[in-house]
Amino acid sequence: DVKVTQSSRYLVKRTGEKVFLECVQDMDHENMFWYRQDPGLGLRLIYFSYDVKMKEKGDIPEGYSVSREKKERFSLILESASTNQTSMYLCASSFLGLGNTIYFGEGSWLTVV
Amino acid sequence: AQKITQTQPGMFVQEKEAVTLDCTYDTSDPSYGLFWYKQPSSGEMIFLIYQGSYDQQNATEGRYSLNFQKARKSANLVISASQLGDSAMYFCAMRERLMKTSYDKVIFGPGTSLSVIP
Repeated sequence: DVKVTQSSRYLVKRTGEKVFLECVQDMDHENMFWYRQDPGLGLRLIYFSYDVKMKEKGDIPEGYSVSREKKERFSLILESASTNQTSMYLCASSFLGLGNTIYFGEGSWLTVV
Repeated sequence: AQKITQTQPGMFVQEKEAVTLDCTYDTSDPSYGLFWYKQPSSGEMIFLIYQGSYDQQNATEGRYSLNFQKARKSANLVISASQLGDSAMYFCAMRERLMKTSYDKVIFGPGTSLSVIP
């Protein structure tokens, strides 16, 4: 079975803190994605990656950065957390190719106070 | 820019009846893939069905079928014989290979909340 593991299920951070959300997949997928999910807005793409050290901006990259030093790991970084970044963050991975299923982690609930 | 629209924020359906969840998309690329995912209250994202833009027939997976109308850029999900366990959020997604690149971008719609009534 494909497994996408997000390191933290629930986090509470203070405004201005640097936050790291880690994601690991065990299926040698080229593609990895970070989304945030908010009520009424669905899943919005923050960043994605298609290879080690390669990254592309999604639709809402402002305030975020990412790192992919190893194929299996994709990290989302909030350089200086703000209250409007309180959200559910979902990591996903997939093989390249239009028909390949996208597999999701369980999500990380981040609260910034 | 890519965009996915799901115009029904919430839907109700009687148990054992069929329901259609709407999805329209916008792309200028002739090659793309469309997905539907289910997210129950537990939060996990469950893959339901896939349709490729060049597929001649509408996709079906058990009680799920996809009503794909390429010219209208719509990919509606049809759930037949609804069950109580179908109550969940449903997301439509589009995967597109960006022009002159070797990577795919996947975007999701805002979702539809489906409630199945006994």
